[in-house]
Amino acid sequence: TQLLEQSPQFLSIQEGENLTVYCNSSSVFSSLQWYRQEPGEGPVLLVTVVTGGEVKKLKRLTFQFGDARKDSSLHITAAQPGDTGLYLCAGDQTGTASKLTFGTGTRLQVTL
Amino acid sequence: DVKVTQSSRYLVKRTGEKVFLECVQDMDHENMFWYRQDPGLGLRLIYFSYDVKMKEKGDIPEGYSVSREKKERFSLILESASTNQTSMYLCASSPRVRRGVPDTQYFGPGTRLTVL
Repeated sequence: TQLLEQSPQFLSIQEGENLTVYCNSSSVFSSLQWYRQEPGEGPVLLVTVVTGGEVKKLKRLTFQFGDARKDSSLHITAAQPGDTGLYLCAGDQTGTASKLTFGTGTRLQVTL
Repeated sequence: DVKVTQSSRYLVKRTGEKVFLECVQDMDHENMFWYRQDPGLGLRLIYFSYDVKMKEKGDIPEGYSVSREKKERFSLILESASTNQTSMYLCASSPRVRRGVPDTQYFGPGTRLTVL
């Protein structure tokens, strides 16, 4: 059973469009991270959110942790081809902060 | 810069062979992880280790074993490879958590294993 479901699974958009990726669970997480993976590479951490309702911004990327700490969203404004990649959310359910449960992933392609 | 290296980028093995995947990190991290990545399933944890000679099962340990004899090296072993173990295998490391907030997991580039 996958604890973290991401939607959409695939997204193909043109440069300049906005998009939102969702990460949902029926379980509560102590904290949640977002990673981006480019082809041929391992995932790289983008952000960690720890407080329910928390919003963090990273340039054109806005991350939000749900009030109940069961879900999260990633919003990209004015997408660019460099945003292309696989986006993965990862939650810490055990509270140990060392073992993560990864989401199913959202593959984003941004074209010119 | 943290560097996590994996012994092979691509590997082709036959059913029944014993397969060793090696991972080395150079940042003195306590925690090391092995994941497999399959389309639509994200990353699934196979095993992790929080210290030398210590290991814990992840979500899908069946058919796999691990070894951590030195802090910087974590090996994944497929005792008898099967076709359903064809996948991308990712190794990661992270420092020991000290404040209850997860630190970054640093990933290697992955090994794409094909079992024929």
